Amino acid sequence: DVKVTQSSRYLVKRTGEKVFLECVQDMDHENMFWYRQDPGLGLRLIYFSYDVKMKEKGDIPEGYSVSREKKERFSLILESASTNQTSMYLCASSKNIQYFGAGTRLSVL
Amino acid sequence: QKEVEQNSGPLSVPEGAIASLNCTYSDRGSQSFFWYRQYSGKSPELIMSIYSNGDKEDGRFTAQLNKASQYVSLLIRDSQPSDSATYLCAVNNYGQNFVFGPGTRLSVLP
Repeated sequence: DVKVTQSSRYLVKRTGEKVFLECVQDMDHENMFWYRQDPGLGLRLIYFSYDVKMKEKGDIPEGYSVSREKKERFSLILESASTNQTSMYLCASSKNIQYFGAGTRLSVL
Repeated sequence: QKEVEQNSGPLSVPEGAIASLNCTYSDRGSQSFFWYRQYSGKSPELIMSIYSNGDKEDGRFTAQLNKASQYVSLLIRDSQPSDSATYLCAVNNYGQNFVFGPGTRLSVLP
């Protein structure tokens, strides 16, 4: 079974803090994704990566950056967290099928 | 803009009935199609994938694909209260990216 592991299920941060969300997959997938999901807005793609050190902007990259130094790990960085970044963050990896991690519910106070 | 559309629901069906969930997509180049189930507060989990026109059955679930009409559906037979969730349709054109619909909320009433 594919396993996509997100480092935290719940996270509470203060406005202005730098936040790191980590994601690790164990299936040697080339492609990895970060989404956020908000009520009524569905899944929105923030960034994706199709190879080590490669990244592509999704639909809502503003306020976020990513890092992929190793194939199995894809990190999402909030440089200066703001209250409007309070959301559920979902990591996924894929070859032909996309598999999701359990999600991180981030609250920015 | 590639789009995937679904009725947001809620779709309510009685226990034991057939639930029918529909999805349309705009990109004619789409090649692979997926249905995910998402329980409240949880992440999406894959139920079915379908790549060819026609029906694909897996237990109580049947996915139906019609590429000419750009339409994919999911039928759930003998619906159970545990099937109550949001169902997401996703489409891929063999590129890296997947396009998700907004999801249909299904409620199965005991």
